Amino acid sequence: DQQVKQNSPSLSVQEGRISILNCDYTNSMFDYFLWYKKYPAEGPTFLISISSIKDKNEDGRFTVFLNKSAKHLSLHIVPSQPGDSAVYFCAARLAGTALIFGKGTTLSVSS
Amino acid sequence: EPEVTQTPSHQVTQMGQEVILRCVPISNHLYFYWYRQILGQKVEFLVSFYNNEISEKSEIFDDQFSVERPDGSNFTLKIRSTKLEDSAMYFCASSDSDTVNTEAFFGQGTRLTVV
Repeated sequence: DQQVKQNSPSLSVQEGRISILNCDYTNSMFDYFLWYKKYPAEGPTFLISISSIKDKNEDGRFTVFLNKSAKHLSLHIVPSQPGDSAVYFCAARLAGTALIFGKGTTLSVSS
Repeated sequence: EPEVTQTPSHQVTQMGQEVILRCVPISNHLYFYWYRQILGQKVEFLVSFYNNEISEKSEIFDDQFSVERPDGSNFTLKIRSTKLEDSAMYFCASSDSDTVNTEAFFGQGTRLTVV
């Protein structure tokens, strides 16, 4: 049972353009959503998060949007840079429980 | 910057053997986790640990798995009798709280290969 789904396994974007990574979830009780970034041979690194009571959170080039009615969130990276090339994991949690991850989307940013 | 460290980075073991994966969480963190990622699949939760006991575990974490905090700094995952399907990247993580808006910090992972 995939509670957190990232339906696009990969995304290719040109440097300077916007990258949009999507994530859907099935459990409407999730309180908090996080995006992690992972380079090869490294562990996931926290990137940005959003509470279920908000619909947008912005941190520099990274913005996360939450659409609770659609059970959908997205991560926007503007402008995209070659160093952003990595696997991006969407994760969600209920209060007091562990993170539940999606399968990840591999972003490739070409110069 | 404090970080979670895992050893070894790569472990090869024969099927049926016991293996212990080691982690040193961030020093002031109180909540510890193990996750794994089978090649090409999602990062899966195994177990969380707080106050010297398991606080949550997934159905993957069966009797073959155990966790321990043998001293004030290490957090270990033991697999008693490894199977081929245990081959995966194992990630340790820690956090200073279990409130919903707390992110977990991950180690670089241990690649376990069961042959």
